[in-house]
Amino acid sequence: EAQVTQNPRYLITVTGKKLTVTCSQNMNHEYMSWYRQDPGLGLRQIYYSMNVEVTDKGDVPEGYKVSRKEKRNFPLILESPSPNQTSLYFCASSLLVTNEQFFGPGTRLTVL
Amino acid sequence: SQQGEEDPQALSIQEGENATMNCSYKTSINNLQWYRQNSGRGLVHLILIRSNEREKHSGRLRVTLDTSKKSSSLLITASRAADTASYFCATRGVGNTPLVFGKGTRLSVIA
Repeated sequence: EAQVTQNPRYLITVTGKKLTVTCSQNMNHEYMSWYRQDPGLGLRQIYYSMNVEVTDKGDVPEGYKVSRKEKRNFPLILESPSPNQTSLYFCASSLLVTNEQFFGPGTRLTVL
Repeated sequence: SQQGEEDPQALSIQEGENATMNCSYKTSINNLQWYRQNSGRGLVHLILIRSNEREKHSGRLRVTLDTSKKSSSLLITASRAADTASYFCATRGVGNTPLVFGKGTRLSVIA
């Protein structure tokens, strides 16, 4: 089944404890992206990747890192999480940047 | 960055009625996309309309695009309770620019 998977789905952590949210797609898509969704603010893009080893900042990249070593994986790294990063995170992929995006199920992160 | 703005923010209708949501944006686009999100879940792509298209249909969905007014509308005909969700428009600018989402319209269909 064609899909985007994210892990973990739920995470409660404490300020400053490094964490990684994994994202994987099995559709051989070139484009991958991370968003955060907050009430009243809609979806905001954190980082995106046009292809392997090519990443770029979105609208709200501060406090996040990404890597794209393989086509299928696009992990989101929070080196030192803070409470303002409490949010619902979505990974998405598309064949090319101009195509429709396929979204993962979301990761609900709480930083205490 | 450019952003689609949906209108209304919330819409409540009876089952069987039509629902219309609007999206306005600010700069030139390559395409405009509509997505649906059930509460707290991942977004699902509904329809993509290119800048040189004016109307597109998919089942009970009809999307129009007016590039002169920089606006789009999503019409859901004969709505069902299962259509209850948030609907987002997203704009893709010219060139390899990322997709930018609006804040969404929350649709409630009452049985």
